[in-house]
Amino acid sequence: DSGVTQTPKHLITATGQRVTLRCSPRSGDLSVYWYQQSLDQGLQFLIQYYNGEERAKGNILERFSAQQFPDLHSELNLSSLELGDSALYFCASNRGLQETQYFGPGTRLLVL
Amino acid sequence: AQKVTQAQTEISVVEKEDVTLDCVYETRDTTYYLFWYKQPPSGELVFLIRRNSFDEQNEISGRYSWNFQKSTSSFNFTITASQVVDSAVYFCALSEATFTGNQFYFGTGTSLTVIP
Repeated sequence: DSGVTQTPKHLITATGQRVTLRCSPRSGDLSVYWYQQSLDQGLQFLIQYYNGEERAKGNILERFSAQQFPDLHSELNLSSLELGDSALYFCASNRGLQETQYFGPGTRLLVL
Repeated sequence: AQKVTQAQTEISVVEKEDVTLDCVYETRDTTYYLFWYKQPPSGELVFLIRRNSFDEQNEISGRYSWNFQKSTSSFNFTITASQVVDSAVYFCALSEATFTGNQFYFGTGTSLTVIP
């Protein structure tokens, strides 16, 4: 158990809908990262937050947004969902820049 | 261009054989970190090792060993006397610092199957 929690574990929704994925980092970790893992794209970095502020952005679509709250949990919002958004979404956390990231169990999203 | 290249997509070995997973990275930074993660069939990503760019010492942890060579930009992972439980997808990753944060780049993974 990495100490990072993600909810929900599974999510099934329809195209055009909006969903919110939630992540709680390990105790003491200030940084949260979001990744998308799909079969054909591998593990893609989406976005990083550090102590509530956005710090780095990867291949995140404009339809996706994220935020980190004062209690350090983070939410990833996916809107106008498309079939291609079906993937495993991971959250990871670490204590500081370039420290080891510890991953949550992931949220498996299926868009029908 | 890929920052992290894992050229081996799939590898199959028979139990007790040794296997090496290759990782080649690309960076202009002098300070960077390299990682290996394991993703078993259950799906979670498990941290295995972290290595900074100034430490080229090879590391051994039980049946696992890592060979870091800056001259060839490689960070290879060897499993000795493989076991069925080693069957998983293994990812190599690179962390570079940016001015405000850092980005992690993952390779596409090597799927290892250990046949009993």
